[in-house]
Amino acid sequence: LAKTTQPISMDSYEGQEVNITCSHNNIATNDYITWYQQFPSQGPRFIIQGYKTKVTNEVASLFIPADRKSSTLSLPRVSLSDTAVYYCLLSGGYNKLIFGAGTRLAVHP
Amino acid sequence: DTGVSQDPRHKITKRGQNVTFRCDPISEHNRLYWYRQTLGQGPEFLTYFQNEAQLEKSRLLSDRFSAERPKGSFSTLEIQRTEQGDSAMYLCASSRQGSGTGELFFGEGSRLTVL
Repeated sequence: LAKTTQPISMDSYEGQEVNITCSHNNIATNDYITWYQQFPSQGPRFIIQGYKTKVTNEVASLFIPADRKSSTLSLPRVSLSDTAVYYCLLSGGYNKLIFGAGTRLAVHP
Repeated sequence: DTGVSQDPRHKITKRGQNVTFRCDPISEHNRLYWYRQTLGQGPEFLTYFQNEAQLEKSRLLSDRFSAERPKGSFSTLEIQRTEQGDSAMYLCASSRQGSGTGELFFGEGSRLTVL
């Protein structure tokens, strides 16, 4: 299965925009790029999914370049409650999602 | 609450005992997944059901682990002769085949501590 690479951790401050980049050099044609968020002692929660170009919802934006070998999750104006682990995954044609270690985002006052 | 429900939320047991976890998925979801998560790691896939059929099992799932979904609704995950290395959060997720994003809905997990 294709793998993704993302930073282990990031720090930010309240009100800033946070961009988390994910590399997926071996992405397959039928793969979608999906991001999940996980708070301590909770299961992961779906944030956003995209195939190419840009996708935006009420929580985040997802930017995907034409070659689809990377993607960037953008969180506008983060707050303390956005402190969580963010996972970048490839989904499509598989019966399961494979999670990596994710990116630990810490938002400071 | 119509989300994925897991029971118990916490379980402390002694090494060698058997434990069973239950998962109730979202009612219209025909796919059900079990994952295991240890501290600082992402969830690891264990097994997957479509309706009552167990379609895939990870090599992580040793012979001491067994999962069932007898009527295609709730599922149980049993661990026999627990070991300290089994201490983890066991997460259940469900999804609906054919949904647009294939989004998995996770429960809050069952935390197992093996003493």
